[in-house]
Amino acid sequence: GAGVSQSPRYKVTKRGQDVALRCDPISGHVSLYWYRQALGQGPEFLTYFNYEAQQDKSGLPNDRFSAERPEGSISTLTIQRTEQRDSAMYRCASSLAIGDYEQYFGPGTRLTVT
Amino acid sequence: GESVGLHLPTLSVQEGDNSIINCAYSNSASDYFIWYKQESGKGPQFIIDIRSNMDKRQGQRVTVLLNKTVKHLSLQIAATQPGDSAVYFCAELRGQKVTFGTGTKLQVIP
Repeated sequence: GAGVSQSPRYKVTKRGQDVALRCDPISGHVSLYWYRQALGQGPEFLTYFNYEAQQDKSGLPNDRFSAERPEGSISTLTIQRTEQRDSAMYRCASSLAIGDYEQYFGPGTRLTVT
Repeated sequence: GESVGLHLPTLSVQEGDNSIINCAYSNSASDYFIWYKQESGKGPQFIIDIRSNMDKRQGQRVTVLLNKTVKHLSLQIAATQPGDSAVYFCAELRGQKVTFGTGTKLQVIP
């Protein structure tokens, strides 16, 4: 079946612009996670949802970052007033059930802020 | 494509030999420990996990060892194949939050 998909795959934006990154989890997966990954490092937790409820947003760097999953399926990570330091690979993952530690990762969105 | 692992520790192994990748963790309260494999240009892929109250778990060609005394985790890959070339991350799970460690790049020499 289809895996986790993310769009766009690449995004170049100018500093100060807002960006919205989309994640489409595996159908039926209850939990959805957002990570940020710098080159040469492991993914860094940002936030996660069970169904439509955001459970933990402790990893969001600051209040310019927000995420939503209004219908418990597709999720959007929004970064307002982007800065160069926001440039990174943003990855989404989903898991079938709450507490299921096997997460399936998407291909990521490479964000470049110029 | 994306290049993951520019400044990562690298382990070079001859094809057919066994590989051992090590990881130190910090959180004694973690529920599970997990190994992920990340190939260039792709997202991490789950390999195997071990519950914190176990010390060994075996999968297909892979074995994970957990030493809680010294907070050490290892991944053993038997008969390493070219397709095993990737960056390997250990990760800790507490609740639903996964914290990834520093990766190790595995290079398989044909």
